[in-house]
Amino acid sequence: DAKTTQPPSMDCAEGRAANLPCNHSTISGNEYVYWYRQIHSQGPQYIIHGLKNNETNEMASLIITEDRKSSTLILPHATLRDTAVYYCIVRPFLDTGRRALTFGSGTRLQVQP
Amino acid sequence: GAVVSQHPSRVICKSGTSVKIECRSLDFQATTMFWYRQFPKQSLMLMATSNEGSKATYEQGVEKDKFLINHASLTLSTLTVTSAHPEDSSFYICSAFRTGRSYNEQFFGPGTRLTVL
Repeated sequence: DAKTTQPPSMDCAEGRAANLPCNHSTISGNEYVYWYRQIHSQGPQYIIHGLKNNETNEMASLIITEDRKSSTLILPHATLRDTAVYYCIVRPFLDTGRRALTFGSGTRLQVQP
Repeated sequence: GAVVSQHPSRVICKSGTSVKIECRSLDFQATTMFWYRQFPKQSLMLMATSNEGSKATYEQGVEKDKFLINHASLTLSTLTVTSAHPEDSSFYICSAFRTGRSYNEQFFGPGTRLTVL
């Protein structure tokens, strides 16, 4: 799986948009970008994934650059409950090898009141 | 999304005792489950891959005789920490793979915090 680079920490004011960047310059053509988050003392939670088009769901939006070398996860109106570590992971969508997700160090997002 | 449960959520035990942690996929069958370990302020580290009906595959540096994994059914995998010591204190997280015609998704349990005194 392609390597990803994320800032170690970010702060965001409650109610404002949180924009979390991820660099994945070695991504290959069949690899998707996945985002998970882990709230303190809980298991990781799936947020969103995408290939090359921008994606949106009830939790977040994912913006992938045209060259696919980087992406941004957007939480449109951050709340205190969004304080967590956010992981950007790149891997093939249909991983027939059933390999486990590999987690980097992620970005620790602190939403401030 | 699919639900994965773990039991217990928290356990405290004395050094030298064994502890069993259960991981269940509640609304789907999982032929493959994974066990991760997470130390404070660190990321999740994969310990082993558990396949239903066969032996688990352990990551380098993980002692298979210490961390016994059993995946006897399509909805249950267990991790037994044998002769636990304080350095085994950690947050253990399981996950289950759900597969379909158009997806391979990995769902995570809530985790089990093990404290060895």
